[in-house]
Amino acid sequence: EPEVTQTPSHQVTQMGQEVILRCVPISNHLYFYWYRQILGQKVEFLVSFYNNEISEKSEIFDDQFSVERPDGSNFTLKIRSTKLEDSAMYFCATTGTGGTDTQYFGPGTRLTVL
Amino acid sequence: SQQGEEDPQALSIQEGENATMNCSYKTSINNLQWYRQNSGRGLVHLILIRSNEREKHSGRLRVTLDTSKKSSSLLITASRAADTASYFCLASGGSGTYKYIFGTGTRLKVLA
Repeated sequence: EPEVTQTPSHQVTQMGQEVILRCVPISNHLYFYWYRQILGQKVEFLVSFYNNEISEKSEIFDDQFSVERPDGSNFTLKIRSTKLEDSAMYFCATTGTGGTDTQYFGPGTRLTVL
Repeated sequence: SQQGEEDPQALSIQEGENATMNCSYKTSINNLQWYRQNSGRGLVHLILIRSNEREKHSGRLRVTLDTSKKSSSLLITASRAADTASYFCLASGGSGTYKYIFGTGTRLKVLA
């Protein structure tokens, strides 16, 4: 069964550094999402992306964050200057041709900011 | 008050019993999805119910949706030890920050 993959599984970085988290969506999927889950808390929506544009974003998704699909396959989340409070599990999700269909989640990237 | 509340927060049952979890939301929705998360791992999709549906079944899972009360419930029948996990609802609708809202989750423990 096709699945969403994410790399790396764990990223450790120093405060102030830039990080790029990568996601490979299911091949024919058109809608992409990033979520985060701070340890012990609920999953929070960051951003949705369709047709090479951000379609929705949350209050969390400020100027420090950006997303792109650089090569038509990977979908990336960049955090420009990481803060301690960015430490969380980051999940990518994708949906097929219908924007209101099932979201399939990747295994997540654990980001630790020191 | 918070969007996406679930209750109970934790539930402990014996193998073979049924488990019911509830989810409430604030905005109008297009659909509501239920996910399972094993400790520290990814989210596994269980079932999706659309706003014009009232009940849906998948194997041992039964989901109901009451849009007038803005609530949904997930019933797992004949539970197994392998069902031990956290269960989350995801309400899709609204816009911006409220476009996709996860519930706070129910931690289910099934005792063998």
